[in-house]
Amino acid sequence: GAGVSQSPRYKVAKRGQDVALRCDPISGHVSLFWYQQALGQGPEFLTYFQNEAQLDKSGLPSDRFFAERPEGSVSTLKIQRTQQEDSAVYLCASTPGGLRETQYFGPGTRLLVL
Amino acid sequence: AQSVAQPEDQVNVAEGNPLTVKCTYSVSGNPYLFWYVQYPNRGLQFLLKYITGDNLVKGSYGFEAEFNKSQTSFHLKKPSALVSDSALYFCAVSETTSGTYKYIFGTGTRLKVLA
Repeated sequence: GAGVSQSPRYKVAKRGQDVALRCDPISGHVSLFWYQQALGQGPEFLTYFQNEAQLDKSGLPSDRFFAERPEGSVSTLKIQRTQQEDSAVYLCASTPGGLRETQYFGPGTRLLVL
Repeated sequence: AQSVAQPEDQVNVAEGNPLTVKCTYSVSGNPYLFWYVQYPNRGLQFLLKYITGDNLVKGSYGFEAEFNKSQTSFHLKKPSALVSDSALYFCAVSETTSGTYKYIFGTGTRLKVLA
């Protein structure tokens, strides 16, 4: 497909479990963003990659959150020891270049921590 | 710090009437401004953006927005609303003078177009 894809689309985790969320950006897109969207809220920035370099991770809420993009393409957002407050939709977006450009969003992964 | 505000949680408009969804912003440098739309169970879709140049920006599906620097606003407009325009709309702002790479999104405005 030509768009941004994310997997899984839905994830139910028990509190304390580790989860890994995957994002496949549009082929050739340099920049990749992760967002957390709580119910009824706007997306909250988590982290930004330019190719494989993580240039901004200031939005990650705690050291339980970790993101990587080792080959500058697919990215994984990992949440360790999940808590109920981590329940949200996690959105991934990519752009061909940088911040001036349109972000193309994936459908999101809905995470529910019980 | 940069921020964006969408003062209305919901806007109701009759089909065929003009619509406005409000957005104001605060940045320390030159803003890049965006509007996105979100349909249920789907990711955000780009509508339009302002980077520089003409203050009136035209976008997808007949939407337009006017950049007003003095009022720090970027309201979304459409001359004639359709029922299919009913969705959640997000304004976003970004700037790089602070050396960060964030987009800041507003809290969203739910648009309901009534037949």
